[in-house]
Amino acid sequence: ETGVTQTPRHLVMGMTNKKSLKCEQHLGHNAMYWYKQSAKKPLELMFVYSLEERVENNSVPSRFSPECPNSSHLFLHLHTLQPEDSALYLCASSQEVPGDIYNSPLHFGNGTRLTVT
Amino acid sequence: EDQVTQSPEALRLQEGESSSLNCSYTVSGLRGLFWYRQDPGKGPEFLFTLYSAGEEKEKERLKATLTKKESFLHITAPKPEDSATYLCAVQAEYNFNKFYFGSGTKLNVKP
Repeated sequence: ETGVTQTPRHLVMGMTNKKSLKCEQHLGHNAMYWYKQSAKKPLELMFVYSLEERVENNSVPSRFSPECPNSSHLFLHLHTLQPEDSALYLCASSQEVPGDIYNSPLHFGNGTRLTVT
Repeated sequence: EDQVTQSPEALRLQEGESSSLNCSYTVSGLRGLFWYRQDPGKGPEFLFTLYSAGEEKEKERLKATLTKKESFLHITAPKPEDSATYLCAVQAEYNFNKFYFGSGTKLNVKP
């Protein structure tokens, strides 16, 4: 496996279900991100983990709960979602070097297409 | 407020017809500007990073340029396989964990 892998690729869930999205990166990076992509809107940053510590929570509702057990794995736990949460959820990773002005770009997985019914 | 605006929203070209995509930005101290390509059903794929005004990067038929307020992605003699959505993102000096994305330009190249 190379790059950033996300599972599942597609997920349909009811509003009362609980499910989790999984992301694994094989790039040796030390930062991981969750983004939400909705049609014709810019990518919305949800969460950032740097060195396994959450450094950014971009006013995301509590029905989304991230978990980063180590620098290679990232989860997004979902519960009691709303239909407007239907979107493509993208995981990304990057390498942060403190003091280095040349930060690495984000490397994305292919996303999980989530449909909430 | 930091933001990124891309234009046009959609662009249709004939094969071989060169054109440019625009990304204008406002950010308090630019750390880097990034271009990505996204195909349907896939995640964004990294193309270029630009760090300072006047910088240029090239890859095959694509050339990215940067000024203090905007970036251009020039596509020379495009082919149908260049059809995709092109995304621009900026990273601010004061918060390098945040990448601000534009809404993208959907490019369709017809044979």
